[in-house]
Amino acid sequence: NAGVTQTPKFQVLKTGQSMTLQCAQDMNHEYMSWYRQDPGMGLRLIHYSVGAGITDQGEVPNGYNVSRSTTEDFPLRLLSAAPSQTSVYFCASSSNLDREPKLFFGSGTQLSVL
Amino acid sequence: DQQVKQNSPSLSVQEGRISILNCDYTNSMFDYFLWYKKYPAEGPTFLISISSIKDKNEDGRFTVFLNKSAKHLSLHIVPSQPGDSAVYFCAASAGTGNQFYFGTGTSLTVIP
Repeated sequence: NAGVTQTPKFQVLKTGQSMTLQCAQDMNHEYMSWYRQDPGMGLRLIHYSVGAGITDQGEVPNGYNVSRSTTEDFPLRLLSAAPSQTSVYFCASSSNLDREPKLFFGSGTQLSVL
Repeated sequence: DQQVKQNSPSLSVQEGRISILNCDYTNSMFDYFLWYKKYPAEGPTFLISISSIKDKNEDGRFTVFLNKSAKHLSLHIVPSQPGDSAVYFCAASAGTGNQFYFGTGTSLTVIP
């Protein structure tokens, strides 16, 4: 069982470039989310989705776009990368049906913007 | 403004002793709490949870305590093992949503 799969694992971008971080889950979870981890800041929520076709902003959404066309996939787009977006990005999913839900995380994407 | 705080960035404990990791929150609407463990270059993995209807939850060597009046929770690991060395995050959510707010993490080192 693959769980939550993120690609790529590492990426280096130049300022102004665009890219998409991929996230896929095979657990049929309704809820998916993106976090970024920065030193001294913990994990901060960027965007989340409660189901296909529904997305919303988290704590730090600026500079990022998301869409949710299928239950399985939740890509994160950087339209014009900035050095402040250098971070480790984690995708997570969970089931809305669990009375006590828990997030399942991918292994992360380490992004450097030069 | 950080709604979930872990004020100790690091903690060192001798193998076999108790590790106590602390977490404070400011939002009184938070009613469900999780602890995650994270090794370098890996994603966080779920450790233990507690809802606000309880003040204690145990799972093997791990126990989480919740003090709602103080808006404080703690994770106890007994006995601590070298494999427990990792960064630990607490997280909180409000209501029925799956939006979790995370603390800044505590790096635990268990010394053999």
